[in-house]
Amino acid sequence: GAVVSQHPSWVICKSGTSVKIECRSLDFQATTMFWYRQFPKQSLMLMATSNEGSKATYEQGVEKDKFLINHASLTLSTLTVTSAHPEDSSFYICSARDFGQDMNTEAFFGQGTRLTVV
Amino acid sequence: AQTVTQSQPEMSVQEAETVTLSCTYDTSESNYYLFWYKQPPSRQMILVIRQEAYKQQNATENRFSVNFQKAAKSFSLKISDSQLGDTAMYFCAFTITGNQFYFGTGTSLTVIP
Repeated sequence: GAVVSQHPSWVICKSGTSVKIECRSLDFQATTMFWYRQFPKQSLMLMATSNEGSKATYEQGVEKDKFLINHASLTLSTLTVTSAHPEDSSFYICSARDFGQDMNTEAFFGQGTRLTVV
Repeated sequence: AQTVTQSQPEMSVQEAETVTLSCTYDTSESNYYLFWYKQPPSRQMILVIRQEAYKQQNATENRFSVNFQKAAKSFSLKISDSQLGDTAMYFCAFTITGNQFYFGTGTSLTVIP
């Protein structure tokens, strides 16, 4: 089945530094990928929609200058948390659909990245 | 606006018993797709079952089945013969275009040995 790989699984960084998270679709092309943030024991909050070859679409309240998204190829999207602060500590998850399949095709999720800013 | 409501934040069930997780949603669209995802302690989201809104027949996947009531906008998940490995967070979700997925707040299920 289709697989989405997310890297790294966890990262600890110092406050003020930037962290890059990668999301790859391994066996299908994803013109669109999605980035979610999940707080402990809460649901997934959509942060942005990553579009291959164009600018990402951010949800209301998400700072686009802080959460930089690049979707340079049909299989790779990256999320960079810039000038990270402790309040950015969270679990980040990416997902993608194989748009070559039917509409009812599930969204495949990466393993998630636990970011801790110290 | 599209919304998903899971009214049971936590539930528990004895091993081998049956449990039903509730989900209601709201949309003005007539065609959409519904999903139940499982998130075990590893945090990896795993598809449990899916349902097309235009299909009246309820989907089943082994021990998992749904009760889809389109008029009531209800999409409950029944887990039969519960196993310890079923312990996880369960999220109800739907999509209209296949693009954006709308998730509920989740139900934490604990299977008790």
